[in-house]
Amino acid sequence: DVKVTQSSRYLVKRTGEKVFLECVQDMDHENMFWYRQDPGLGLRLIYFSYDVKMKEKGDIPEGYSVSREKKERFSLILESASTNQTSMYLCASSVPSAGLTEAFFGQGTRLTVV
Amino acid sequence: GNSVTQMEGPVTLSEEAFLTINCTYTATGYPSLFWYVQYPGEGLQLLLKATKADDKGSNKGFEATYRKETTSFHLEKGSVQVSDSAVYFCALKGQTGNTGKLIFGQGTTLQVKP
Repeated sequence: DVKVTQSSRYLVKRTGEKVFLECVQDMDHENMFWYRQDPGLGLRLIYFSYDVKMKEKGDIPEGYSVSREKKERFSLILESASTNQTSMYLCASSVPSAGLTEAFFGQGTRLTVV
Repeated sequence: GNSVTQMEGPVTLSEEAFLTINCTYTATGYPSLFWYVQYPGEGLQLLLKATKADDKGSNKGFEATYRKETTSFHLEKGSVQVSDSAVYFCALKGQTGNTGKLIFGQGTTLQVKP
């Protein structure tokens, strides 16, 4: 059974803290993604990676960075957490092709910044 | 750029009612189109997909037809159940490029009452 696992379901952090969200996939997928989900806004792409050590900015990269040192692991980093980063964060992975290839999602991490 | 627009929610229906959730898109060429579903407390799961004009995706009683002329991919189900209560996301993947990057609509919450 394919799996994308996010390390935490719920996190509470303080403003200014450095926060790490971890994601691991067991499908040997080249592509990995971090999305942010907010009510009324759907899913917005923060960053994606198409290979180890390769990354590209998505639509809302400000305040975030990422790390992909191994193929199976993709980390999202909030350098200095702020209250407007309180959100649900979703990780996904897929194979790199156009057309009808689906993305597989983790269960999400609900982050609250106080 | 590419974009997806879904009808505003929430949608509240009685069990066995007919469901339509509208989705329209803006994209060049022939994008691939998807519907994802998010059950409470879970990540997103692929519901159905279509890759070319007039293709019909179907799964679990849900259907959607890729309409190039109206740039639409409306989700339908003839008789909803309480267990269909979830958030539904329409998404597209561009024809060009191989990153597998998905662009999502805002999401539509469906609540089915017994």
